[in-house]
Amino acid sequence: DTEVTQTPKHLVMGMTNKKSLKCEQHMGHRAMYWYKQKAKKPPELMFVYSYEKLSINESVPSRFSPECPNSSLLNLHLHALQPEDSALYLCASRRNVGLPYEQYFGPGTRLTVT
Amino acid sequence: KNEVEQSPQNLTAQEGEFITINCSYSVGISALHWLQQHPGGGIVSLFMLSSGKKKHGRLIATINIQEKHSSLHITASHPRDSAVYICAGCSGGSNYKLTFGKGTLLTVNP
Repeated sequence: DTEVTQTPKHLVMGMTNKKSLKCEQHMGHRAMYWYKQKAKKPPELMFVYSYEKLSINESVPSRFSPECPNSSLLNLHLHALQPEDSALYLCASRRNVGLPYEQYFGPGTRLTVT
Repeated sequence: KNEVEQSPQNLTAQEGEFITINCSYSVGISALHWLQQHPGGGIVSLFMLSSGKKKHGRLIATINIQEKHSSLHITASHPRDSAVYICAGCSGGSNYKLTFGKGTLLTVNP
């Protein structure tokens, strides 16, 4: 199983809503990532969990909150988002043996904030 | 600061043509990812290489670590190859991160 799954595929939410994005992998990877991608731009790193330790891109606003319940699951909690947060949110995981460490990407969640 | 430069930004080809996309990277980057993204879609990893050459079907990726340069070649291109191709540099060891190039939009016309 070399798959990273993400749910939902599409999400439309209002600025007052609270929602969560989910990412899952069963490859035994111990590092998982959230990226944000705007149209025609490369992905931007938001958060990294590596061996359950969180690293944050300090430019990410606090309305985005990651959670790593276990080494296979990664959630992104969304609260009070703004329309400019509309983007493709990508999850990735990285194997931790055998350099170089290849990243495996999920299909993404297309988020629209109205 | 790690940097990755890709060229060209846009590329249009006729079906059957040989395609080359180039990527240059800075000191500190130890390996290169080549990624593919179809319009509106997620990202697929094509290759990860730190030396030499890799081949998968009609795709070939090469890397020259002395010159800090990598190329992605597509032989006998097909309209379904139309996508954005992104090279991403890997750095950081235990603080591993990817530095993304801006991508190359490839359009293959029938």
